[in-house]
Amino acid sequence: SQQGEEDPQALSIQEGENATMNCSYKTSINNLQWYRQNSGRGLVHLILIRSNEREKHSGRLRVTLDTSKKSSSLLITASRAADTASYFCATNSGTYKYIFGTGTRLKVLA
Amino acid sequence: DVKVTQSSRYLVKRTGEKVFLECVQDMDHENMFWYRQDPGLGLRLIYFSYDVKMKEKGDIPEGYSVSREKKERFSLILESASTNQTSMYLCASSLLLGTQYFGPGTRLTVL
Repeated sequence: SQQGEEDPQALSIQEGENATMNCSYKTSINNLQWYRQNSGRGLVHLILIRSNEREKHSGRLRVTLDTSKKSSSLLITASRAADTASYFCATNSGTYKYIFGTGTRLKVLA
Repeated sequence: DVKVTQSSRYLVKRTGEKVFLECVQDMDHENMFWYRQDPGLGLRLIYFSYDVKMKEKGDIPEGYSVSREKKERFSLILESASTNQTSMYLCASSLLLGTQYFGPGTRLTVL
């Protein structure tokens, strides 16, 4: 199975609500990254969090990392219709490779 | 801003054709990657390159080859296209252990 596994697979919320999605992984990591993908497009980088960090913020995004549980969460606050996209986590274990999960499809209803 | 471009957004080819997908990045990144993305399977790494003329197989290299003659350009080659290679192909570049920057993707259909 994939190193990074997102949960839930799909999420539907109303505009203004918060959206939380989770990522679990299996082996030790150097860093974990979150990406957004709009339908039919390439991935856009959101946040990178290193293994010695516990929390990072970027605008309306908050990422946490719990290396003891091998999990990360992405919180989007005050969601907007434009946040509708698929969200992927990717782990890097200190090599050239990045391992992506299968993504969470977020739909924000206006 | 980093820019990664891919030669085509949409491509339709016939079974048995040789297909070239080109990727160019403008940020002097050492590392470049080719992924394919299929529904329910996420992104799967086909090949990556960590320097000019250097390449490593990813998780699904069968049926593909790559070429990196210049640092900014990484090409994916389908030697003899088959219908099971119909997919979205994504190119990315990065510094070591850094953020990956993706191109817009090429949706390839093999008939």
